[in-house]
Amino acid sequence: QKEVEQDPGPLSVPEGAIVSLNCTYSNSAFQYFMWYRQYSRKGPELLMYTYSSGNKEDGRFTAQVDKSSKYISLFIRDSQPSDSATYLCAMNQLGGNEKLTFGTGTRLTIIP
Amino acid sequence: KAGVTQTPRYLIKTRGQQVTLSCSPISGHRSVSWYQQTPGQGLQFLFEYFSETQRNKGNFPGRFSGRQFSNSRSEMNVSTLELGDSALYLCASSSGFSGGPSSYNEQFFGPGTRLTVL
Repeated sequence: QKEVEQDPGPLSVPEGAIVSLNCTYSNSAFQYFMWYRQYSRKGPELLMYTYSSGNKEDGRFTAQVDKSSKYISLFIRDSQPSDSATYLCAMNQLGGNEKLTFGTGTRLTIIP
Repeated sequence: KAGVTQTPRYLIKTRGQQVTLSCSPISGHRSVSWYQQTPGQGLQFLFEYFSETQRNKGNFPGRFSGRQFSNSRSEMNVSTLELGDSALYLCASSSGFSGGPSSYNEQFFGPGTRLTVL
């Protein structure tokens, strides 16, 4: 079983909809929770990160971490066609240096 | 500031050959990490180099190796290529220093090298 599980999709939603992306994990040592976005033929770019539990908001994006359930989410409000990409969750342990453990990614398409 | 660059962008090799991939980090960054990305497994951590020393290692066979030079540029080598090594190989750079317990040291990814093994 993978340490981080993510529904690969694909997920298609109409423009303007709220998108919910999720990951579950099994390693309770994870303390840093990241969401990366990857466009076709590009490397991943960091969207948001959260340390430990809680919510974090950045514009149209909200990240939530529930460590008790080992469950993290990314919400995208007022989705735009430019949000069409693969979204990857990633996690790291305290003192884990640069070793990230990724979910397999969810391919998202926003339909105009 | 220039981003992370990787060369070559595309490679085609045959089984049994070996390959070397190159990564130039963002100027001033001392940590370079390598990841393998495949459709089935997603991104998997290969190893990380910091100041020319391997600091972290993933669960890949010894055919996968790397090194880092004094200018922080890094190379990754795969020997005796297998069909299953076909993947996108990504490198990421960061300062390598933690900003504190609640601070995430962002890794910046390059565009990757697409390796096809025939």
